[in-house]
Amino acid sequence: QSALTQPASVSGSPGQSITISCTGTSSDVGSYNLVSWYQQHPNKAPKLMIYEGSKRPSGVSNRFSGSKSGNTASLTISGLQAEDEADYYCCSYAGSSTLIFGGGTKLTVL
Amino acid sequence: EVQLVESGGGLVKPGGSLRLSCAASGFTFSSYNMNWVRQAPGKGLEWVSSISSSSSFIYYADSVKGRFTISRDNAKNSLCLQMNSLRAEDTAVYYCARDATVTTSVYAFDIWGQGTMVTVSS
Repeated sequence: QSALTQPASVSGSPGQSITISCTGTSSDVGSYNLVSWYQQHPNKAPKLMIYEGSKRPSGVSNRFSGSKSGNTASLTISGLQAEDEADYYCCSYAGSSTLIFGGGTKLTVL
Repeated sequence: EVQLVESGGGLVKPGGSLRLSCAASGFTFSSYNMNWVRQAPGKGLEWVSSISSSSSFIYYADSVKGRFTISRDNAKNSLCLQMNSLRAEDTAVYYCARDATVTTSVYAFDIWGQGTMVTVSS
């Protein structure tokens, strides 16, 4: 299985909104509502931001939202803040109790 | 405090073996499915293996199947990953991670350890 496809980088100014896409196939993203998103700051462990496509864990800002259309999932961050600058990874259930991650997207806050 | 702490990483020669451990605290370890996820230097995340709360169900990524073995000891609140026949491409930071739910898995990980580095090199 190949990794899910994410843009290598995205950028935005403070206060703006950005969207990161995550494209898979009908065998993973398209078949299950089990996409999660992780934020990772340099040299830190990943942090769960979204699960089951659009649900936020307790403590995660409502500026983060998730959605899905067909084989593509998306993470939207509104009201960009400097601390949002990080790498973001999507992850999808791929059947047979296996998971596949995206290649990661580096978010730069200008 | 809910916490996962990995240990056991280090430098090993190709073909060698290494055993990673993950100590859990602050939650009912025996109720959660657990996982290993790795990240090669400068690269993205890769799911490695999962084990159900009672060890009844175990799954591996194709890249490690037949070489790695996941296990857990609920009495000791610990998770392990036995890695054999190691290859250069296994070089990575290895994280243990907890499933986000205690019931039906949502295949998301809400608690992560700090990671332990494994380097496979001659």
